[in-house]
Amino acid sequence: DAGVIQSPRHEVTEMGQEVTLRCKPISGHDYLFWYRQTMMRGLELLIYFNNNVPIDDSGMPEDRFSAKMPNASFSTLKIQPSEPRDSAVYFCASSPQRKGTGVYSPLHFGNGTRLTVT
Amino acid sequence: DAKTTQPNSMESNEEEPVHLPCNHSTISGTDYIHWYRQLPSQGPEYVIHGLTSNVNNRMASLAIAEDRKSSTLILHRATLRDAAVYYCILTKDSGAGSYQLTFGKGTKLSVIP
Repeated sequence: DAGVIQSPRHEVTEMGQEVTLRCKPISGHDYLFWYRQTMMRGLELLIYFNNNVPIDDSGMPEDRFSAKMPNASFSTLKIQPSEPRDSAVYFCASSPQRKGTGVYSPLHFGNGTRLTVT
Repeated sequence: DAKTTQPNSMESNEEEPVHLPCNHSTISGTDYIHWYRQLPSQGPEYVIHGLTSNVNNRMASLAIAEDRKSSTLILHRATLRDAAVYYCILTKDSGAGSYQLTFGKGTKLSVIP
């Protein structure tokens, strides 16, 4: 399996521009998570989906951020307009549906997109 | 979720065992203990998890105190590739769904050749 695939690996953009980050989860996984990592705040959960439906977006910092999952094999995180404080590494992770108590399904993370907003 | 406390950093010599501690004094009976690690320039990866009993897998061992208020991740022979930030995380087991992992600062492990 190729694992969770994120693109692009690096993105440099100017303040005010729209940025779209992409994620392809592992085939068959029902859950998809978007995290953001900065030196100051560490790893933060932004939003997660179950079967393509957003379940909890309480971590999304502001209305400038939006995430979609149009199908089971693709998700996007969009920032519009971008600001310098959005500079961070954005990770996507996926996991399968657990089958019950005692059955463990770890999260599988991609290698992230490093976003720099100048 | 209950809070965990880990040392900011630790050092180990290559090929020696490493014991990474985690305190979780407010753990509840249904909380799982998860360990993930993050190698430089990579996303976090699963290491091991447990509930009450000690656990072993290819990567590591997890020793859980009898009162569950602390746990220790054991790497039996540290290699240079084990240099990473190690995260100890607690989540409740709802019996279904997935886990929402809340990452703390973790322990940065340095391995000395």
